[in-house]
Parts: sequence; C-alpha cells; structure tokens
Amino acid sequence: SAVISQKPSRDICQRGTSLTIQCQVDSQVTMMFWYRQQPGQSLTLIATANQGSEATYESGFVIDKFPISRPNLTFSTLTVSNMSPEDSSIYLCSGGGRMNTEAFFGQGTRLTVV
Amino acid sequence: KQEVTQIPAALSVPEGENLVLNCSFTDSAIYNLQWFRQDPGKGLTSLLLIQSSQREQTSGRLNASLDKSSGRSTLYIAASQPGDSATYLCAVRTQGGSEKLVFGKGTKLTVNP
Repeated sequence: SAVISQKPSRDICQRGTSLTIQCQVDSQVTMMFWYRQQPGQSLTLIATANQGSEATYESGFVIDKFPISRPNLTFSTLTVSNMSPEDSSIYLCSGGGRMNTEAFFGQGTRLTVV
Repeated sequence: KQEVTQIPAALSVPEGENLVLNCSFTDSAIYNLQWFRQDPGKGLTSLLLIQSSQREQTSGRLNASLDKSSGRSTLYIAASQPGDSATYLCAVRTQGGSEKLVFGKGTKLTVNP
C-alpha cells in the first residue's frame, strides 16, 4: 500500500491566522480526500481533492474556509483559513484508488487554535 | 444516507482475553468495509479490508467478518495484548455518489496487563 506523509504533524496557531497542511503520497493515486476529526468525535469528510480542478466539498464545508489544491496525482494541500478555536481538530489526508480499493491515511495534523 | 454505528463505545478487558467489536451500517449497497486502528492523537492504520463479495478476512490475531445483507461486521481480536489498546474504527465505502468512506464513532479498547 502507498505511504502518505503529512506535515506539519502538529501546530498551535493564533486565531485569525491560516495554516496550510501538506500531503505527499509516495505513488500516484486516483482519489485524495481531506477529513476532520474534532475532539472525541469520528472522522468527517471535508472534501475530495480533484487533480487539476476545484475540490468537491461536503455539506457544511466551503472553499473560502478550506481551500484545497491538488496540482498532481501525488500531492495536495488543505488550508484552514481565518482560524478560530472551533477549528481545533486533527486533520487527516487520505488516498486510494476507486471503488473497491483500500484507503490509507497520513499520520494527521493536530491543530490547536488559541 | 449511510450511517455507521459501532458498539460498544468503550471496552476494557484483561490481557489474554478474546473479544469482539461490532459495526453496523444502514445501506447495504457498499463496495467494501474497512477496519482501522487509531492511537491517541495519531492517524489511522488500516487493519483489514473486506470487499462486498467476501465474508471474512484474517490478519494475524485479527479476523473481520461481513454480513452485507444484514448490514453487520465484526472484528475479532484473539489473545488480546496491552499493545492492542487503541480506538478501532469501522468505515464503509458506499456505492454511487462520491465513493467516500463513512465512519463509525469507534470503539475505545483498553487491554489491562
């Protein structure tokens, strides 16, 4: 299975600032996703990162708050914009093929907003 | 809308015990079901992937079963060890739509020495 490197692994940020999280896969993957895991909760999908085009966002998530880039089949970034304490979560990048293939995850970015 | 439920939410067992974690889902039109392990503050490690046409998968002390028609899966852990302590997450990939994974809330397992 592919290996995903995600950075930073953790950060403490001031409210009102923005943080960009990077996700690098060691091989080309068809699908890349960004998830959020709020404290004590399970994972919620933010968006599907589409190579060369705008990301597809889930209900409740918008591009202005979570802009996503995916310039090629091995790399994606998620920016958390104008942060507030409610954005404190673990953010996870996931990759994989389509349909019946295995999904694998990066080690996550633990974000604390103060 | 697919919903995934995991029972129990937390489980504490003595070392050496065999245990079962449960996962249920509402829409049986799935491609596959995947079990993950998550250590505190960390990412997810894939444990087992079961395709919709399969009944079970085994890896070491882990055995996962799938009954797609009833919307249920179990993860069996044999001879539990303290190092098995973690949160176990079940996720299904539903047919159609965005092919995204839908996760349960997880079972937090503690294995006591």
